[in-house]
Amino acid sequence: EAGVAQSPRYKIIEKRQSVAFWCNPISGHATLYWYQQILGQGPKLLIQFQNNGVVDDSQLPKDRFSAERLKGVDSTLKIQPAKLEDSAVYLCASGLLGSPYNEQFFGPGTRLTVL
Amino acid sequence: AQSVTQPDIHITVSEGASLELRCNYSYGATPYLFWYVQSPGQGLQLLLKYFSGDTLVQGIKGFEAEFKRSQSSFNLRKPSVHWSDAAEYFCAVFTGNQFYFGTGTSLTVIP
Repeated sequence: EAGVAQSPRYKIIEKRQSVAFWCNPISGHATLYWYQQILGQGPKLLIQFQNNGVVDDSQLPKDRFSAERLKGVDSTLKIQPAKLEDSAVYLCASGLLGSPYNEQFFGPGTRLTVL
Repeated sequence: AQSVTQPDIHITVSEGASLELRCNYSYGATPYLFWYVQSPGQGLQLLLKYFSGDTLVQGIKGFEAEFKRSQSSFNLRKPSVHWSDAAEYFCAVFTGNQFYFGTGTSLTVIP
């Protein structure tokens, strides 16, 4: 079974530039999550989708971050404009709808460096 | 507010020695508890989880964890560490609404 795919794996941009990350979840997984993991910290949930609807985006900085999940499969996370403090690894995870344990399967992440 | 505390930022153990990684949580009800491992450049992999029942849970790679309600703890253990266990370990709690992760414990294994 293929895992969660993310691209690019690494990205370096200058502050005030824009950047987008892509995630392809495991086939059949209805829930999709984006996390931000700053160096030395645990992952922090940014947004959670169920199919193509947003379940929770309370910690998403909406003035600069946006995410979408068209057709309930792939998802993109965008930052515009980027700030230095956005340097982090962005993790995508997916899970089965209705899983009683809400188990998530994580992708390898995208490491973003903002200069 | 919900929180997860991993008091040890970094631990070094000798190969073959036993290991215990500490995790404390703050949550009003019984949470769902997880341990994940993250190798360099990799995503998080689930080691084990606790939801109810037996408070000692077995996971993959020879790991186990014990839920102690009185101490609000969910410590991870392994009787004999292998060099391949060197990684970052995260404790997490699911409150029924959202996941909260600890800050992680980095494990170094020396020969």
